[in-house]
Amino acid sequence: QVQLQQSGAELVKPGSSVKISCKASGYTFTSYDMHWIKQQPGNGLEWIGWIYPGNGNTKYNQKFNGKATLTADKSSSTAYMQLSSLTSEDSAVYFCARHSGGLDYWGQGVMVTVSS
Amino acid sequence: DIVMTQGVLPNPVPSGESASITCRSSKSLVYKDGKTYLNWFLQRPGQSPQLLTYWMSTRASGVSDRFSGSGSGTYFTLKISRVRAEDAGVYYCQQVREYPLTFGSGTKLEIK
Repeated sequence: QVQLQQSGAELVKPGSSVKISCKASGYTFTSYDMHWIKQQPGNGLEWIGWIYPGNGNTKYNQKFNGKATLTADKSSSTAYMQLSSLTSEDSAVYFCARHSGGLDYWGQGVMVTVSS
Repeated sequence: DIVMTQGVLPNPVPSGESASITCRSSKSLVYKDGKTYLNWFLQRPGQSPQLLTYWMSTRASGVSDRFSGSGSGTYFTLKISRVRAEDAGVYYCQQVREYPLTFGSGTKLEIK
């Protein structure tokens, strides 16, 4: 069965970077886009971008240019998102989600807290 | 960016009744291939969102036929028939017609 297992919660300092992971199983990792979505506490959903692990192609929401960097490791079927120059506005839950028609499988989410 | 505006439900909805959730887009979501690029999700408390429908009216795998999506180019409805306690949560529409992909702000459904 398809599963997306994300890494654990992160507590990070302002100005630093964090890299979160999303390990895929149960399907051919290189054949589907992987999307990333941000959800701030009590708020709605914001699309960050996608990566196609088959060739590494990416597409970003311009709002996250310079903030988020998406990569994928085919050998471990793992997608990554690095967030840089963190501020309190980056405190949120971050989801990965596979795209097939729609975002049909989601990870459990990673809570990132930016605090000194 | 395409703005997605969702309606409010007169909560709570009695179990067994129907509920209709509305979503309006600031631009037509119909693409030249004839498909309407509108998705619906349900996020239950403490859980990740779950895909309900895509291309406006195609139900995702394993989704109950109590959920049905419909609409035009800019106005959309998700109808839930015979609501159950498990349908409670926040419903989001999402446009995938153009970048950046955008979501509505969510519509909360409470069940009585």
